[in-house]
Amino acid sequence: NAGVTQTPKFQVLKTGQSMTLQCAQDMNHEYMSWYRQDPGMGLRLIHYSVGAGITDQGEVPNGYNVSRSTTEDFPLRLLSAAPSQTSVYFCASRRVSGNTEAFFGQGTRLTVV
Amino acid sequence: AQKITQTQPGMFVQEKEAVTLDCTYDTSDQSYGLFWYKQPSSGEMIFLIYQGSYDEQNATEGRYSLNFQKARKSANLVISASQLGDSAMYFCAMSLGSSNTGKLIFGQGTTLQVKP
Repeated sequence: NAGVTQTPKFQVLKTGQSMTLQCAQDMNHEYMSWYRQDPGMGLRLIHYSVGAGITDQGEVPNGYNVSRSTTEDFPLRLLSAAPSQTSVYFCASRRVSGNTEAFFGQGTRLTVV
Repeated sequence: AQKITQTQPGMFVQEKEAVTLDCTYDTSDQSYGLFWYKQPSSGEMIFLIYQGSYDEQNATEGRYSLNFQKARKSANLVISASQLGDSAMYFCAMSLGSSNTGKLIFGQGTTLQVKP
């Protein structure tokens, strides 16, 4: 059982480049989300989804796009990377019903130069 | 607005002693869940313990217990008999049951260092 698979683990981008962070889960969870983790800021919610075709903005959505075409996949797109987007990114999934734990991917360390 | 506050950026504890990590929350929802996660230096997020807003007893999981004081809106994590491997960042988080979105919000985290 793979859980939440997040790729890549590390990435360096130049300012203005675009890229997609991949996230896939095999637990049939309705809820998937992306967080960014900056020193002293904890985990801040970027975007989340409660099912295929449904997405919503979190606390810090600017500069990021998401889509949810299947239950399993929830990619995060940076259309034009900026140095302020240098961070560690986590994908997480959980069931919507009941207060169950969230399962996290291993994280992506992104550096924008 | 829903919010989680962890007021201790860093904590030290002697090995084998108990330590309490503070967490307060703010929500007007009646149904919610409270979680604690551990993040070691390797970076992964490890689920530790969960407390539901309607649970009357404090949650316990091995050496971890959650001191839930609903009236004070606090959900402190107590680690008994600290071990060197407990050195990590600890996050408190809240989910909102009534909104039924599954959304989790996190506090800023507390770094715990266990001294030998």
